[in-house]
Amino acid sequence: AQKVTQAQTEISVVEKEDVTLDCVYETRDTTYYLFWYKQPPSGELVFLIRRNSFDEQNEISGRYSWNFQKSTSSFNFTITASQVVDSAVYFCALENNFGNEKLTFGTGTRLTIIP
Amino acid sequence: DVKVTQSSRYLVKRTGEKVFLECVQDMDHENMFWYRQDPGLGLRLIYFSYDVKMKEKGDIPEGYSVSREKKERFSLILESASTNQTSMYLCASSLLAGADKYNEQFFGPGTRLTVL
Repeated sequence: AQKVTQAQTEISVVEKEDVTLDCVYETRDTTYYLFWYKQPPSGELVFLIRRNSFDEQNEISGRYSWNFQKSTSSFNFTITASQVVDSAVYFCALENNFGNEKLTFGTGTRLTIIP
Repeated sequence: DVKVTQSSRYLVKRTGEKVFLECVQDMDHENMFWYRQDPGLGLRLIYFSYDVKMKEKGDIPEGYSVSREKKERFSLILESASTNQTSMYLCASSLLAGADKYNEQFFGPGTRLTVL
């Protein structure tokens, strides 16, 4: 069975600080996808990134970066120079059984950026 | 832009009532999903559908049923609502994945259901 753990329930940082959200996953499959979604106060989940299990290259998109390490089964998300608009709940998710398209979500991390 | 809409943002029902939650997507997606979101539990999949009239159980289907008569519409039904079904319900849709391609899920704004 697959599992996604987001151990950090809530994080608060002062604006402009960097912050890392942790995600650890468990799966027996060798082929899988990992995701991050953002849920702002409006409630609608917004897709941020997808990474497949064969691609361990880190990715950077503006102030966002992702560190995928298969050796530790982790897919961590870093926000650099945080802004108030980054305040949201962030979910990490796993899809295994390639093509099955069912996502297993972590419990989420509530990030609050203090102005 | 893909748009997934849900019929209500807030809904209050009484125990034992039959409840319909409606979801509509406007981008011709094959796949549609219903999740519930609870504090400390994240999102859990209730049911999903990959085609009209097709449905598959997710992780927590008990107490729920679904209907997909048209491609753009996916309904979640609570036959006899109970207080433990008080939750946020999220609908999502996605294109059917190809052999080497995954299409991300697009989510609606959610329906916060309270069962008294």
